[in-house]
Amino acid sequence: AQSVTQLGSHVSVSEGALVLLRCNYSSSVPPYLFWYVQYPNQGLQLLLKYTSAATLVKGINGFEAEFKKSETSFHLTKPSAHMSDAAEYFCAVTLLFSGGYNKLIFGAGTRLAVHP
Amino acid sequence: SQTIHQWPATLVQPVGSPLSLECTVEGTSNPNLYWYRQAAGRGLQLLFYSVGIGQISSEVPQNLSASRPQDRQFILSSKKLLLSDSGFYLCAWRGRLQGNEQYFGPGTRLTVT
Repeated sequence: AQSVTQLGSHVSVSEGALVLLRCNYSSSVPPYLFWYVQYPNQGLQLLLKYTSAATLVKGINGFEAEFKKSETSFHLTKPSAHMSDAAEYFCAVTLLFSGGYNKLIFGAGTRLAVHP
Repeated sequence: SQTIHQWPATLVQPVGSPLSLECTVEGTSNPNLYWYRQAAGRGLQLLFYSVGIGQISSEVPQNLSASRPQDRQFILSSKKLLLSDSGFYLCAWRGRLQGNEQYFGPGTRLTVT
């Protein structure tokens, strides 16, 4: 069964520092993987997605993630944190069904704090 | 382009009162629709999903129900709210001819008092 584990419920970095948010997945089939960001009292916004076309995926706001099959990981990175990056980040894997629909399995989320 | 709307944005309701939250999607046809709930410290919980008009699947038994009276309208309801129904409710859609990602609405903050 598919599952997602996000290591670290809280991550704190200084402005300008590297951001690394960890995500490990479990999937019996080649996965579709996603990162979403949620700002306070807002819905989730898609940051980026992995669909097997390329292992390094670039997303919005300068974020990128690398799919590593051998490590079953899909960690999210950003070279230089900005104060506006403070938010909660969710990693997700999709479950596909023959009826033409899917479900997303979400990790527990990582809250990113950025300090001046 | 596609957009998703939810209303109301915030709601405060007493225990035992009814509930109706609405979600509509524009710019796409026959989407998959989803209701999620975020309760404090509990992550995202899938409540219902729908693959078409009148087709509702429930993920978690509870006192909530969902309906899809039109192709791009998804409604979450309850006859009698419980304190435990408090949370942030999110609607999402996925296009049939697009990838597997889901797109989320702005959410409704429900507080049951």
